[in-house]
Amino acid sequence: DADVTQTPRNRITKTGKRIMLECSQTKGHDRMYWYRQDPGLGLRLIYYSFDVKDINKGEISDGYSVSRQAQAKFSLSLESAIPNQTALYFCATSDSTSGREADTQYFGPGTRLTVL
Amino acid sequence: QQPVQSPQAVILREGEDAVINCSSSKALYSVHWYRQKHGEAPVFLMILLKGGEQKGHEKISASFNEKKQQSSLYLTASQLSYSGTYFCGTEGADDYKLSFGAGTTVTVRA
Repeated sequence: DADVTQTPRNRITKTGKRIMLECSQTKGHDRMYWYRQDPGLGLRLIYYSFDVKDINKGEISDGYSVSRQAQAKFSLSLESAIPNQTALYFCATSDSTSGREADTQYFGPGTRLTVL
Repeated sequence: QQPVQSPQAVILREGEDAVINCSSSKALYSVHWYRQKHGEAPVFLMILLKGGEQKGHEKISASFNEKKQQSSLYLTASQLSYSGTYFCGTEGADDYKLSFGAGTTVTVRA
C-alpha cells in the first residue's frame, strides 16, 4: 500500500462548487504539505502543517483552506472553485527530526482537478 | 521566492552529460533535488546542506555553493531512465519550508 494517498485522483467540477481534496499518510510523519503544480511554474506551496495544531499559509493560499484532522490526515478545500484553480495538486509529508526542513518530502500520487 | 532553474529543457543522447543549475536570491540552509516522471509524483533524489557538500545518486551528483546561493545537478553518462523533469527545492536560512523552481525537463534519447 502507498504511504501517501490522495483522494480523489481526478475531479471535474463547476465554478462556484465547494471541493475537498483529502490526503492520508501511514508514514507517521508530523509534517504535511499541499502544493499545486501548473505547467511551467513548478510546485507552489499552498498550505503546510508541522503538527495537528500548527497550520501555516504558503505562497498561494488565497482561495484555499485546510484542515488537519489528525496526524495522518490533511485536507485541502476550495470553498468556491474557479477555473484558474484547475491544476494538479500534490500532498507531501516529511519527518524533520532536526527542527529544520532538511528531510525528504514524500509526495502522494496527485489529484488532477478541473474547474469548468 | 522561487529559485531560478536553468536551462528550462535539455535533450541528450544516451551517454552524454548535462548540468542543471538552481539559483536563489536569498541565503540558503539546504537544497533538495527531485525528479518527476510524466504523470507521476516527484521523487526525492538528494539533499545538500549548508557547508558546500556534494552528494551522489547513481551517476547523478550535485553541489551546493552556499556563498553564491547556487546548486548544480550533474547528470553523467545519461541513461534513458534519467528522462523527466528535475526540480530544485530551496530552504532559506530563516525559513522552515521549501520553495521549488519551475523545473528542467530532461529528455534522453537512444
